[in-house]
Amino acid sequence: GENVEQHPSTLSVQEGDSAVIKCTYSDSASNYFPWYKQELGKRPQLIIDIRSNVGEKKDQRIAVTLNKTAKHFSLHITETQPEDSAVYFCAASSRYNNNDMRFGAGTRLTVKP
Amino acid sequence: GAGVSQSPSNKVTEKGKDVELRCDPISGHTALYWYRQSLGQGLEFLIYFQGNSAPDKSGLPSDRFSAERTGGSVSTLTIQRTQQEDSAVYLCASSRTGYGYTFGSGTRLTVV
Repeated sequence: GENVEQHPSTLSVQEGDSAVIKCTYSDSASNYFPWYKQELGKRPQLIIDIRSNVGEKKDQRIAVTLNKTAKHFSLHITETQPEDSAVYFCAASSRYNNNDMRFGAGTRLTVKP
Repeated sequence: GAGVSQSPSNKVTEKGKDVELRCDPISGHTALYWYRQSLGQGLEFLIYFQGNSAPDKSGLPSDRFSAERTGGSVSTLTIQRTQQEDSAVYLCASSRTGYGYTFGSGTRLTVV
């Protein structure tokens, strides 16, 4: 089955700096990679996703990159703000079989004002 | 409804009692998932329902845990003879196949 590893487990940045979270996966059949943001005491929410037919996707200050050869994908947050502070989870699954979706262990991002 | 609805939001139960947690997914979402999240930890997969197919129960931690999904919609997660280590937030999510999940707000279970 799929195994997703996520690094770092904690990340602290100064407001305005960039933050990068990296994930690796093991199953070469995986081709759907969502990212979730979970604020303290709240539900995880999908913030961006990428499919294997593209290498990069951007949405305002958030971007994801995917390297299928190396089996890793990353979340990039630019111009960080205190409200970006949360736990971020990456995940991987195959397009037609969502029950194999596996989550990384999470990264606790703290943005210091 | 507009989102995934879970009830109750909080549940305190005595050790040894049975509890039922309810999830009402987004209408039209054929896939439904239960996850468990212990304090400060990641998301632990429990069970997955897809349409009328047999559920994937591979994540259930013991035979005290069971779940059903009636009519392809509402799901109930049942924990029998609760133990203190069952204390966690139980998250339900639904999706269309091949898309990201929408999570409910969770049920915080505390076993005392």
